[in-house]
Amino acid sequence: DTAVSQTPKYLVTQMGNDKSIKCEQNLGHDTMYWYKQDSKKFLKIMFSYNNKELIINETVPNRFSPKSPDKAHLNLHINSLELGDSAVYFCASSRSPDTEAFFGQGTRLTVV
Amino acid sequence: AQSVTQLGSHVSVSEGALVLLRCNYSSSVPPYLFWYVQYPNQGLQLLLKYTSAATLVKGINGFEAEFKKSETSFHLTKPSAHMSDAAEYFCAVSHNDYKLSFGAGTTVTVRA
Repeated sequence: DTAVSQTPKYLVTQMGNDKSIKCEQNLGHDTMYWYKQDSKKFLKIMFSYNNKELIINETVPNRFSPKSPDKAHLNLHINSLELGDSAVYFCASSRSPDTEAFFGQGTRLTVV
Repeated sequence: AQSVTQLGSHVSVSEGALVLLRCNYSSSVPPYLFWYVQYPNQGLQLLLKYTSAATLVKGINGFEAEFKKSETSFHLTKPSAHMSDAAEYFCAVSHNDYKLSFGAGTTVTVRA
């Protein structure tokens, strides 16, 4: 069983569209994250949730809206997609803020 | 603010040679430290972690890292490189603050 799974793996869409990426973890973790990896492979935190509550919003544009319906899920909705949103988005989870994070396989978003 | 510096964006080694990847952190308080590996088109996999128990940490795939507080370093080593070690390696730090701060990554290539 995949510990952290995100769908879709690839997403190609036009500018201005709205899209969602789903993430689920079956590890029983309390904390979930979204990270963005840019074309130079630099990884940066976007959001952190703990027990469904938003803990960190790292100056992400309002077009990005995470939603955590329960502790096992953290979805990412993106409105009005822009070319600069093209990147790989990783979902991750951890048992607590000071333990290691387990990452999903990533969603490669390409905005054309 | 904490930051992580990985010296050398690209390391090339011969098969069977020592692999040494450098990581330095800037923090007045020793953080939690991690090394992750990313294979092409995959998510991040934890290699090892330092959480103040032992300064020499052994991880998966024959990797180990040594925490040196006096040098604020957490360098990753492997005595003998395999072709399968070719990947991107990331050092990361956490201060129990619901996020990992990553270094810029080091690409490892292994020559036959």
